[in-house]
Amino acid sequence: AQTVTQSQPEMSVQEAETVTLSCTYDTSESDYYLFWYKQPPSRQMILVIRQEAYKQQNATENRFSVNFQKAAKSFSLKISDSQLGDAAMYFCAYRTQGGSEKLVFGKGTKLTVNP
Amino acid sequence: DTGVSQDPRHKITKRGQNVTFRCDPISEHNRLYWYRQTLGQGPEFLTYFQNEAQLEKSRLLSDRFSAERPKGSFSTLEIQRTEQGDSAMYLCASSLAVDSTEAFFGQGTRLTVV
Repeated sequence: AQTVTQSQPEMSVQEAETVTLSCTYDTSESDYYLFWYKQPPSRQMILVIRQEAYKQQNATENRFSVNFQKAAKSFSLKISDSQLGDAAMYFCAYRTQGGSEKLVFGKGTKLTVNP
Repeated sequence: DTGVSQDPRHKITKRGQNVTFRCDPISEHNRLYWYRQTLGQGPEFLTYFQNEAQLEKSRLLSDRFSAERPKGSFSTLEIQRTEQGDSAMYLCASSLAVDSTEAFFGQGTRLTVV
């Protein structure tokens, strides 16, 4: 079974600084997707960034980028120029290609942004 | 379309009572998922539908839980004889049945069993 591990329960960053959230996963599949989701307090989960395993190039979305190391099964999220609105729970998730395409989530990292 | 909608947002019930939650997915999405999220944990998969067919159920989904998606539109999740351990956030998500598409989540229904 696939597992996702987020080893940082909480992280904090100063506004305008950069922070990196860690994620490792375990799978025997070769084709899959990895995601970072953001869950603000009392609001729905939204997709931050997505990475297809077959792509070597790391995904970027504006201030958000990932460092995808397939051999090491590592998928970290870097947030640049942190903003107060970035404060939230961040979940790393894995999804197989095909089948139900259900998401397997890590336990999450609570990010605090200090003004 | 305003996204995935869940009702109610909060539910407090006494142990042993039955509860039912509703999820309205994004209209053109043919896949619908239910997840459960307990405090301090990430969401865990419960079940999923493609159109009206329930194609996969997690072993977390005990026989007290039942989900339906009549006509492939909205879905309901019913919990019979609720237990305190059922207290959690129940999340619904929908997506298109096309590879690499994004799953959109609702705001969830927070269940408290007292």
